[in-house]
Amino acid sequence: GENVEQHPSTLSVQEGDSAVIKCTYSDSASNYFPWYKQELGKRPQLIIDIRSNVGEKKDQRIAVTLNKTAKHFSLHITETQPEDSAVYFCAASPEGNKLTFGTGTQLKVEL
Amino acid sequence: KAGVTQTPRYLIKTRGQQVTLSCSPISGHRSVSWYQQTPGQGLQFLFEYFSETQRNKGNFPGRFSGRQFSNSRSEMNVSTLELGDSALYLCASSLLGGSPLHFGNGTRLTVT
Repeated sequence: GENVEQHPSTLSVQEGDSAVIKCTYSDSASNYFPWYKQELGKRPQLIIDIRSNVGEKKDQRIAVTLNKTAKHFSLHITETQPEDSAVYFCAASPEGNKLTFGTGTQLKVEL
Repeated sequence: KAGVTQTPRYLIKTRGQQVTLSCSPISGHRSVSWYQQTPGQGLQFLFEYFSETQRNKGNFPGRFSGRQFSNSRSEMNVSTLELGDSALYLCASSLLGGSPLHFGNGTRLTVT
């Protein structure tokens, strides 16, 4: 089955800096790669996703890049703000809604 | 449009008991998936239902089961509860299989 590795497990940045979270996947059949943000005590919320026919996608301060050959994808957050502090999860799916999640990255944006 | 609704929010059960969790998807969404979230194992896929049929199943024992009704509402059942079943159980819905998942707030199950 699919295996997703996520790094780093914790990330601390200064407000205004950029943050990058990286994930690798094992199943070449995976074709859908969402990213979720989960604040403490709350539900995971989809922040951006990308499909395998696209190499990069942007939404304001957030971007995701995908390298199918190397089987890795990354989340980039620019101009970080304190409200970006949360746990971020990457995921991969080869079929339907059977997502395999990474282990999460605790992002802390310091003032 | 109302989001994914899960009930109850919290449950405390004793080992050996069984429990049923409920999920109402976003209106119009036909796919419902269930995930277990624990500090040790992270987010793990349990199963997915689409049009009342189980379409995918994760690597959980047969004590974990689910179903979906004609109105797309879903329930999951865990029988013979074990301490290790203590977790946040998240339901997620999507318009179709393979479209973005929207999660509910979850049911926090504690097994004592």
